[in-house]
Amino acid sequence: QKEVEQDPGPLSVPEGAIVSLNCTYSNSAFQYFMWYRQYSRKGPELLMYTYSSGNKEDGRFTAQVDKSSKYISLFIRDSQPSDSATYLCAMSDSNYQLIWGAGTKLIIKP
Amino acid sequence: GAVVSQHPSRVICKSGTSVKIECRSLDFQATTMFWYRQFPKQSLMLMATSNEGSKATYEQGVEKDKFLINHASLTLSTLTVTSAHPEDSSFYICSATWMGREAFFGQGTRLTVV
Repeated sequence: QKEVEQDPGPLSVPEGAIVSLNCTYSNSAFQYFMWYRQYSRKGPELLMYTYSSGNKEDGRFTAQVDKSSKYISLFIRDSQPSDSATYLCAMSDSNYQLIWGAGTKLIIKP
Repeated sequence: GAVVSQHPSRVICKSGTSVKIECRSLDFQATTMFWYRQFPKQSLMLMATSNEGSKATYEQGVEKDKFLINHASLTLSTLTVTSAHPEDSSFYICSATWMGREAFFGQGTRLTVV
């Protein structure tokens, strides 16, 4: 079993819908949680960065960490076609080992 | 966010030659740098993790003699693809992090071996 599990998708939703992307993990030592967005033929860019449990909001994006369930989520409100990309989760522990999810391909249909 | 510069962005080389790709963290000290490979329409595949001043840790199945990684300073890591073959053609991306916090990615290098 991988340390971080992420459904590769593709996830296809209509424009304007709320998107929910998720990762589960097995290592309870993870403390730092990140979401990245990658457009085709580009390097990933950092979207959200969260330490420990809780919610963090930035514009249309909300990152949620539930350490008790070992589950993290990224919500995108009012989704736009320009949000179509691959979204990767990543997390690290106190030993600074960064572990990546496989990425979920998201398609927003106009 | 922090800036990671990767160079070159595109390179075409002949079979049998070696290619060096540079990854620089411009405004922070990268204690750890990661090198990834990505085939079209596929996810990132971690090749190796390098800590400054230490030998790189390679993922299973990645040939360390073929993909030479050097992380000699806190701002520079290099990946050298030795004796390149057409099957080495891919998109190579580096990322850098300070103490396991958020990682920042380079722009990627598209390698074509002819």
